[in-house]
Amino acid sequence: RKEVEQDPGPFNVPEGATVAFNCTYSNSASQSFFWYRQDCRKEPKLLMSVYSSGNEDGRFTAQLNRASQYISLLIRDSKLSDSATYLCVVKSGATNKLIFGTGTLLAVQP
Amino acid sequence: DADVTQTPRNRITKTGKRIMLECSQTKGHDRMYWYRQDPGLGLQLIYYSFDVKDINKGEISDGYSVSRQAQAKFSLSLESAIPNQTALYFCATSDLTSGTNEQFFGPGTRLTVL
Repeated sequence: RKEVEQDPGPFNVPEGATVAFNCTYSNSASQSFFWYRQDCRKEPKLLMSVYSSGNEDGRFTAQLNRASQYISLLIRDSKLSDSATYLCVVKSGATNKLIFGTGTLLAVQP
Repeated sequence: DADVTQTPRNRITKTGKRIMLECSQTKGHDRMYWYRQDPGLGLQLIYYSFDVKDINKGEISDGYSVSRQAQAKFSLSLESAIPNQTALYFCATSDLTSGTNEQFFGPGTRLTVL
């Protein structure tokens, strides 16, 4: 079983739609959680960290459920520019090593 | 100017050749990483370094070696390249003192081994 699992998609949604991505992780000792964004043929970049209480950054909302070992990302009012691959990332232990999911591809259609 | 740079950006080579990929950073970060990315497999950690001359194996270090002779530079070598090392390679950096655990990635090196 992969340590971080995501639905690969693709998710094809119209502009203005709300879309949610889910991610599960297997290591209950995981300490920190993130969503990274990767545009086609580009490097990953941090989108947002995920906190236990849930957190929001504009149109993006991240949630963490430690009991179920589950992370989510909600994007409201999708824009064409949101089209990218979204990587669920988990930090295990105290070494600052990040474990990356395979990513979920989002395509926002005009 | 980019904070994390990688050279070359693209490389085609033949089986058995020795290849070196270079990574440089101007962020002043102490920690540096090498990843490879394959379709459907996500990013996999090859090696990482927390300081000059500190070297640690990642998930998939076989067939690779690294060198960290200066804080700003972390090079990855393929001693004898093989076709299944064809992949997109990323270097990344992070700052122990930042508290955010964020890693900053270079633009990637696309390596093809024929």
